[in-house]
Amino acid sequence: EDKVVQSPLSLVVHEGDTVTLNCSYEVTNFRSLLWYKQEKKAPTFLFMLTSSGIEKKSGRLSSILDKKELFSILNITATQTGDSAVYLCVGSGYSTLTFGKGTMLLVSP
Amino acid sequence: NAGVTQTPKFRVLKTGQSMTLLCAQDMNHEYMYWYRQDPGMGLRLIHYSVGEGTTAKGEVPDGYNVSRLKKQNFLLGLESAAPSQTSVYFCASSFHGDQPQHFGDGTRLSIL
Repeated sequence: EDKVVQSPLSLVVHEGDTVTLNCSYEVTNFRSLLWYKQEKKAPTFLFMLTSSGIEKKSGRLSSILDKKELFSILNITATQTGDSAVYLCVGSGYSTLTFGKGTMLLVSP
Repeated sequence: NAGVTQTPKFRVLKTGQSMTLLCAQDMNHEYMYWYRQDPGMGLRLIHYSVGEGTTAKGEVPDGYNVSRLKKQNFLLGLESAAPSQTSVYFCASSFHGDQPQHFGDGTRLSIL
């Protein structure tokens, strides 16, 4: 059975801190790993990773995939209160999508 | 550009009632999905569609039916609502199965 495990489940940091969110996966016929940010409503897409070792960056956010060890990390530097959200990791197989339960990040001012 | 639109946004039902949730997308996406999100459970796939006229079961399909008569619309039906179906329902769409999904804002459904 496919599974995606995220850690930690929740995290509280101070504004300006750097955080690392973890995602390990076991996905049959793995094709890609995706990260989403979910605030009050719909999840919004952050990154899609298909190749090992290639970092993707968007502003203060970055992510990397390790296909040998079957995990991915999402880094957020210089956190802001607007980064408070649930971050979802999703493993995509040939015809499946497996969501992790998410990491709830709270950035306090 | 509306993206993915879900209607209604909120609904309260009595046990045994039926209803249909509507999802519409204007991005010409082939794939459409229905999820439910419950506290501590994450997003779970109910049904999905890989194109007009096709549907397939996801992780938690029991108690739900779907139809994709038009490419832009994906309907989720509850024939006889049960309290266990109280949840937030999200619709999403994508060009292909392994491409990023665009999500609607969700429908909060309560069944008494």
